[in-house]
Amino acid sequence: DIVMTQSPDSLAVSLGERATINCKSSQSVLYSSNNKNYLAWYQQKPGQPPKLLIYWASTRESGVPDRFSGSGSGTDFTLTISSLQAEDVAVYYCQQYYSTARTAFGQGTKLEIK
Amino acid sequence: QVQLVQSGAEVKKPGSSVKVSCKASGGTFSSYTISWVRQAPGQGLEWMGRIIPILGIANYAQKFQGRVTITADKSTSTAYMELSSLRSEDTAVYYCARDIYGDYSGFDYWGQGTLVTVSS
Repeated sequence: DIVMTQSPDSLAVSLGERATINCKSSQSVLYSSNNKNYLAWYQQKPGQPPKLLIYWASTRESGVPDRFSGSGSGTDFTLTISSLQAEDVAVYYCQQYYSTARTAFGQGTKLEIK
Repeated sequence: QVQLVQSGAEVKKPGSSVKVSCKASGGTFSSYTISWVRQAPGQGLEWMGRIIPILGIANYAQKFQGRVTITADKSTSTAYMELSSLRSEDTAVYYCARDIYGDYSGFDYWGQGTLVTVSS
């Protein structure tokens, strides 16, 4: 099974500053036939279900602010929040769905305000 | 607008079973897959398995093989997750989530979550 590892486990960033979260998969999630990385990012606030932010590693879900961006390919991925807002405080998860019958999430990264 | 509405909270005894439902509205149920993801208190997200209603095929995470059964009723656009031989470690919020079959674009809609508490 593909294992997803996020870093760091927690992160404190000042308002207006950049936040960067990393995600590494134990094997490539790049589907060679269409050159798409089957990697998604989610945001979860307390008491709420997760919210899809990014899919195919870099495509923003409809309605997601453009301060959120995803990058990377193969095994190494990054979620960047370009200018942190107070409402971005949450736990962020990456997910691989290359193996759709065995999808898996990273352990989560808790983002707080410094 | 797609909505996934789950059944209410449950309190179960160790060794018993629980069955949680997830009713979909909006969209076309047969074009989805429905996954079940759980989250223990203060912990991360754990994928349990999924069903492809149009095919009637279910896949399960190895950890839950033999203990979880995911089914779907296309006539009512409802998916079910049954977990048996419950133990205290199964206390968690259980979510259903959908993705579009064959789209591989992530879980775009989630249910509100169902708290299952396992306690003697």
